[in-house]
Amino acid sequence: GAVVSQHPSRVICKSGTSVKIECRSLDFQATTMFWYRQFPKQSLMLMATSNEGSKATYEQGVEKDKFLINHASLTLSTLTVTSAHPEDSSFYICSARGTSGVETQYFGPGTRLLVL
Amino acid sequence: GQQLNQSPQSMFIQEGEDVSMNCTSSSIFNTWLWYKQEPGEGPVLLIALYKAGELTSNGRLTAQFGITRKDSFLNISASIPSDVGIYFCAGQLGLRSARQLTFGSGTQLTVLP
Repeated sequence: GAVVSQHPSRVICKSGTSVKIECRSLDFQATTMFWYRQFPKQSLMLMATSNEGSKATYEQGVEKDKFLINHASLTLSTLTVTSAHPEDSSFYICSARGTSGVETQYFGPGTRLLVL
Repeated sequence: GQQLNQSPQSMFIQEGEDVSMNCTSSSIFNTWLWYKQEPGEGPVLLIALYKAGELTSNGRLTAQFGITRKDSFLNISASIPSDVGIYFCAGQLGLRSARQLTFGSGTQLTVLP
């Protein structure tokens, strides 16, 4: 199956700093990538949809100025958590859908963010 | 928005037993997907269903896309310890303008030796 990677796998940062998370599709081109957030023992919550070469579409209640998304190429999308606070601590997961028209999404391994 | 009701929320079964879980929706979906997530990992796709009534197997896993397009079930036969994890259903409308997934709340599966 398709492979999606995320980096870093886990990060600890101080409150007020910014953190960048990378999502890469390794063996296919992804016109669309999705960013999710997952709290312990809960389901995945979609934060935003990222389309290559255009602005991301954010879900209701997600601050676009706080969660900056850049989808600069067909294999890379980045999520930057700006001025992170402890309540931003969570598991962030990206997914990617290929250009072949198949409707399935393939997920990255996730990034655990802890803000102190 | 769309909501998916997934049940059961958790299951404790003996190794070798069969497992069944399902998802229902108030809305119609054009695609149903089943994922498994292990601790600290992202979801891994198990089965994808694209047509109403479709029955698809992947090893010991079998899933069906309900005729009404508002439900789907996943069966696991002869469970083994490595089946432990959280199983999520996900529905997708399939419209070009909104190919987002709506996730169920998950079923936590524990397999006892």
